[in-house]
Amino acid sequence: SAVISQKPSRDICQRGTSLTIQCQVDSQVTMMFWYRQQPGQSLTLIATANQGSEATYESGFVIDKFPISRPNLTFSTLTVSNMSPEDSSIYLCSVEDKGQGAYEQYFGPGTRLTVT
Amino acid sequence: DAKTTQPPSMDCAEGRAANLPCNHSTISGNEYVYWYRQIHSQGPQYIIHGLKNNETNEMASLIITEDRKSSTLILPHATLRDTAVYYCIVRVASYQKVTFGTGTKLQVIP
Repeated sequence: SAVISQKPSRDICQRGTSLTIQCQVDSQVTMMFWYRQQPGQSLTLIATANQGSEATYESGFVIDKFPISRPNLTFSTLTVSNMSPEDSSIYLCSVEDKGQGAYEQYFGPGTRLTVT
Repeated sequence: DAKTTQPPSMDCAEGRAANLPCNHSTISGNEYVYWYRQIHSQGPQYIIHGLKNNETNEMASLIITEDRKSSTLILPHATLRDTAVYYCIVRVASYQKVTFGTGTKLQVIP
């Protein structure tokens, strides 16, 4: 199974600033996903990031607010730009990998962001 | 992906079996049933998946009805560490994004 790490694990930021979250995977994977989980809510997909192509954003999320990089098959970054308190959430990186005959999705530990 | 319906919350006594239901009446023939769980403040964890046969692994059992319109995740001997939100998802088994519903919050009671 893929092992995913994220940096930072948590941060407290001031409104109007930007934060870049890093996601590192211990194996090469085709698809990486970024999710947001607001307090008390389920996970919401922000975008899908494939290496060598532009990220595909879900409805309600735009590249100017959440720029994503995917420079290689083991790494991705998500930037939360011009932050407001409404951006306070846990941000999760996820990868899709084919395990023993099945496609499984693995998640990083998350980055807990608080915007003041 | 087909939509799923789960009860918002359930309680289970420690040591007893926890049976978590999921309805997926619009599931397509090529869609699998996947279960994940999210323990507080952690990333979701894969539990089990199946197409139409019942499945069992070291964590749980998955029972899928013959018409595939519903399924049940069974934790045979629930422990306090099984307290989590459990998500039932139906999806095709290929590289594809996964959409999470609201899940079932399972509380295991001592």
